[in-house]
Amino acid sequence: AQKITQTQPGMFVQEKEAVTLDCTYDTSDPSYGLFWYKQPSSGEMIFLIYQGSYDQQNATEGRYSLNFQKARKSANLVISASQLGDSAMYFCAMSQNTGFQKLVFGTGTRLLVSP
Amino acid sequence: DSGVTQTPKHLITATGQRVTLRCSPRSGDLSVYWYQQSLDQGLQFLIQYYNGEERAKGNILERFSAQQFPDLHSELNLSSLELGDSALYFCASSTAGTTYNEQFFGPGTRLTVL
Repeated sequence: AQKITQTQPGMFVQEKEAVTLDCTYDTSDPSYGLFWYKQPSSGEMIFLIYQGSYDQQNATEGRYSLNFQKARKSANLVISASQLGDSAMYFCAMSQNTGFQKLVFGTGTRLLVSP
Repeated sequence: DSGVTQTPKHLITATGQRVTLRCSPRSGDLSVYWYQQSLDQGLQFLIQYYNGEERAKGNILERFSAQQFPDLHSELNLSSLELGDSALYFCASSTAGTTYNEQFFGPGTRLTVL
């Protein structure tokens, strides 16, 4: 069974600084995908970034990058130059890459960006 | 805007009642997923449909059922509602044929059972 662990219930960062949100995973599948979603206080789930298990390079999307360490089974999200609008819940998730599979989510990390 | 629509946005009902949540996937997406987000269980996968057929089941209660119609919209039916069914219900959709199943989430339906 797949499992996602996010050990940081809450994180604080000052505006314009970088922050790393931790995510470790467990799976026996050789092929899988790792995702990060943002959930602002309004409730919607916003896709941020994806990393495939066979991707050689770490994924980047604007200010978001995914620090993928396969041997350690970690997929940390790095947000550079934090903005006030980054304050939200962040969820790490994974799925199998074999077709159209469910997402398994972690418990989330609440990020608060202060001025 | 993800392109996935869900109605209603809010739903307040009483224990024992039955409700129907509706979802329209993004144009062209054949897969629809339903998730439940509650304070005690977190985000949990309920069920997936692909082009009208059930593809995968998660922790979905027997009191809950879903279907996907020929026009690809989906409905999640919740019956004999209990207080513990109060949650945010998300629908997500993904495109067939992609190398990974990036799922686009709708805005959710917040269900309150009194």
